[in-house]
Amino acid sequence: QVQLQESGPGLVKPSETLSLTCTVSGDSMSNYYWSWIRQPPGKGLEWIGYIYYSGSSTYKPSLKSRVTISVDTSKNQFSLKLSSVTAADTAVYYCARAYGQLAPFDHWGQGTLVTVSS
Amino acid sequence: DIVMTQSPDSLAVSLGERATINCKSSQTVLYSSNNKNYLAWYQQKPGQPPKLLIYWASTRESGVPDRFSGSGSGTDFTLTISSLQAEDVAVYYCQQYYSTPHSFGPGTKVDIK
Repeated sequence: QVQLQESGPGLVKPSETLSLTCTVSGDSMSNYYWSWIRQPPGKGLEWIGYIYYSGSSTYKPSLKSRVTISVDTSKNQFSLKLSSVTAADTAVYYCARAYGQLAPFDHWGQGTLVTVSS
Repeated sequence: DIVMTQSPDSLAVSLGERATINCKSSQTVLYSSNNKNYLAWYQQKPGQPPKLLIYWASTRESGVPDRFSGSGSGTDFTLTISSLQAEDVAVYYCQQYYSTPHSFGPGTKVDIK
């Protein structure tokens, strides 16, 4: 049974870079697409982007200038970097798996709350 | 980008009664080449991540009770809970995966009346 676990700082200062890692256990990362999705407190879900295990990535256009998603299959991890954060980036950040580029998210991490505040 | 809308925003249903949630996409999510609707439904309980319930608009994920069903095609979709149970209290989201950026509806909160 595949499991995903997010990790990283829970507090980031405005204008700095948010960095999170998702560790995948119970299955190989091969042949899957690995996404980051966020949810501001009390609000809905926003897809940020995904990376294929081979390293190719696609981002939401409105966030593209600030987002980098990378993968390290040797460690069974993928990571999110979001630069120049503001309070609007405060959210629970989830990592999730899809079996295709155009496929639903069948496994999710528990999520980690990141607060942007000085 | 495809915009997803849902109605109602919230609903309260008596135990054992039917709950119906509607989802509409701003453009079709039906892929003509394979006749599949790229539409999923998720359930999110407080403090938990979303859980996949339905994909291809009407296919139940393994382990999902058969009281959950999905229907619709093109731009209009419905999630039905045929007999609401206490454990179904949650927020339900639809999501299109027809194109990137993937997008979710705003959610529908389901409570017990």
